[in-house]
Amino acid sequence: DAKTTQPTSMDCAEGRAANLPCNHSTISGNEYVYWYRQIHSQGPQYIIHGLKNNETNEMASLIITEDRKSSTLILPHATLRDTAVYYCIVRGRLGTDKLIFGTGTRLQVFP
Amino acid sequence: EAEVAQSPRYKITEKSQAVAFWCDPISGHATLYWYRQILGQGPELLVQFQDESVVDDSQLPKDRFSAERLKGVDSTLKIQPAELGDSAMYLCASQPGGAAYNEQFFGPGTRLTVL
Repeated sequence: DAKTTQPTSMDCAEGRAANLPCNHSTISGNEYVYWYRQIHSQGPQYIIHGLKNNETNEMASLIITEDRKSSTLILPHATLRDTAVYYCIVRGRLGTDKLIFGTGTRLQVFP
Repeated sequence: EAEVAQSPRYKITEKSQAVAFWCDPISGHATLYWYRQILGQGPELLVQFQDESVVDDSQLPKDRFSAERLKGVDSTLKIQPAELGDSAMYLCASQPGGAAYNEQFFGPGTRLTVL
């Protein structure tokens, strides 16, 4: 079973920041938080991952709480092409540990 | 940019028939995964290969599903016989081997419809 809890759906206006929350209260010290997204009819796409420090790349920022029990994925300026299902995944330390997907958050970006 | 290739993209078959899906991972990627995604749900891992060896097939219905990666490069997933409940998207992903914290690269998937 997935070790994360996410809202089923969210809306965001184009150009505004999209903040997607994730709860992972049972995360252990050697587990990472990964985010993937899946645009309709495509395979999932990696976005970002982190352990305990905040992370930023060209796609998004990841904010992890100090107790590591929750995190937020931030898309700073959402576009219509960001409409997708976003998955928050807790994954073991080994790079080949499998991904266990939940049902994710369906983000709808509107004009 | 290198991509994971899958074929066919769409497959319609009748129950009790055999079907096969093919995946060509990104060159040099040692780890290969097959996932099944039922409509409205997240992907579920079926089998994981490290080179030509199966690492995890605990969720693979072995009475009807089989997977192979004979030379440690491309891979085939087979279903025989197909059942109505097998209708889903079948996704292949690959990842460089031997390194930690790596992302998985997914292919476009094969959408299977069993009638």
